[in-house]
Amino acid sequence: SQQGEEDPQALSIQEGENATMNCSYKTSINNLQWYRQNSGRGLVHLILIRSNEREKHSGRLRVTLDTSKKSSSLLITASRAADTASYFCATDGDAGSARQLTFGSGTQLTVLP
Amino acid sequence: GAGVSQSPRYKVAKRGQDVALRCDPISGHVSLFWYQQALGQGPEFLTYFQNEAQLDKSGLPSDRFFAERPEGSVSTLKIQRTQQEDSAVYLCASSLAQGGYGYTFGSGTRLTVV
Repeated sequence: SQQGEEDPQALSIQEGENATMNCSYKTSINNLQWYRQNSGRGLVHLILIRSNEREKHSGRLRVTLDTSKKSSSLLITASRAADTASYFCATDGDAGSARQLTFGSGTQLTVLP
Repeated sequence: GAGVSQSPRYKVAKRGQDVALRCDPISGHVSLFWYQQALGQGPEFLTYFQNEAQLDKSGLPSDRFFAERPEGSVSTLKIQRTQQEDSAVYLCASSLAQGGYGYTFGSGTRLTVV
């Protein structure tokens, strides 16, 4: 079953605008990760934020984490057409003997040129 | 290799046929995961290996699904007597160690059962 819920399910913006995607999860975590998936391709790891961190930056990406609300957000600044993809949050928590990632259902981002 | 390699890229199987999907992880990566992704959904965990040991197979949907990693590198996911509901993209991912690291995913195998 999916651990997280991404919001919105779909987002369409103009090139140059900022895109914000939100993720909520249910159980305690060790870290939360964001991945991008282009159509028909595998997932690409974007950024990892640990449970004791509140904000992290990587290039045009900014991730926040609020463990009290069990939520995270991904901000992509100055979006480009090439950012068009599905974005997934994934939680890395203590799930029995394995630390497998549990993915949300994703946000489909479309950046219009 | 430089990335995680999966083969075949596409597989069409007749219902009832057995299939085998291969994953070549990044050399030296201890952890290997298999995920199943239905159209429009996020990946769902199937099974996890640490080296050659299968530590978690709780996500395998039925006993028709079997995975192995006999020498701690290449892994094979086998599906016996395929059913239409098995149609999905099967993703393999590897990681340097257990937990706390980003995963590197392969491009997946798209399985269509007709």
